[in-house]
Amino acid sequence: AQSVTQPDIHITVSEGASLELRCNYSYGATPYLFWYVQSPGQGLQLLLKYFSGDTLVQGIKGFEAEFKRSQSSFNLRKPSVHWSDAAEYFCAVNTGTASKLTFGTGTRLQVTL
Amino acid sequence: SAVISQKPSRDICQRGTSLTIQCQVDSQVTMMFWYRQQPGQSLTLIATANQGSEATYESGFVIDKFPISRPNLTFSTLTVSNMSPEDSSIYLCSVLYPGLTSYEQYFGPGTRLTVT
Repeated sequence: AQSVTQPDIHITVSEGASLELRCNYSYGATPYLFWYVQSPGQGLQLLLKYFSGDTLVQGIKGFEAEFKRSQSSFNLRKPSVHWSDAAEYFCAVNTGTASKLTFGTGTRLQVTL
Repeated sequence: SAVISQKPSRDICQRGTSLTIQCQVDSQVTMMFWYRQQPGQSLTLIATANQGSEATYESGFVIDKFPISRPNLTFSTLTVSNMSPEDSSIYLCSVLYPGLTSYEQYFGPGTRLTVT
């Protein structure tokens, strides 16, 4: 069965600093990969996704992620973090079977001013 | 993208009672999903609800506890039955919606349930 690991439970960065959130997946073939953000008291918003093709994908709010097959990773990055980026970030995988998503445990991002 | 609303947004219920959560989408979608997010935890899929067929439940979830209805292509309900404090969670519905190049899954704002 597929699984997703987000090694960092909590990350704190200063506003304006760069950000990288880690995500590793376990699956035999190339999965469909997603990053979602959940602001306090809100639902989940899709940031970006990878299905195939270019391994560097651009998303909303200035986020990007790179799929690295050799490392089974799909890390999320942002060159300059804004205070409004403080939220919970979830990586998810869909192996195509009935379109079900398997989520990682999430990384809580705190941004200091 | 799809716009999804859920009712109620939050509720406090007594143990032993049941709560029905509604999910409304602004366009017709084939596949809808119900997830549970326990406090401080990630999301866990409860079931997949397709219009015109019985919901498909994931391991650990049963229809008697979480009955689901899907009467049409824009609406679904999830009932949490005979509640206990362990059912205190955020319940989210999501839909599979065709994007420009692929299917994307969009989530409602969630229903925050507290069972006392």
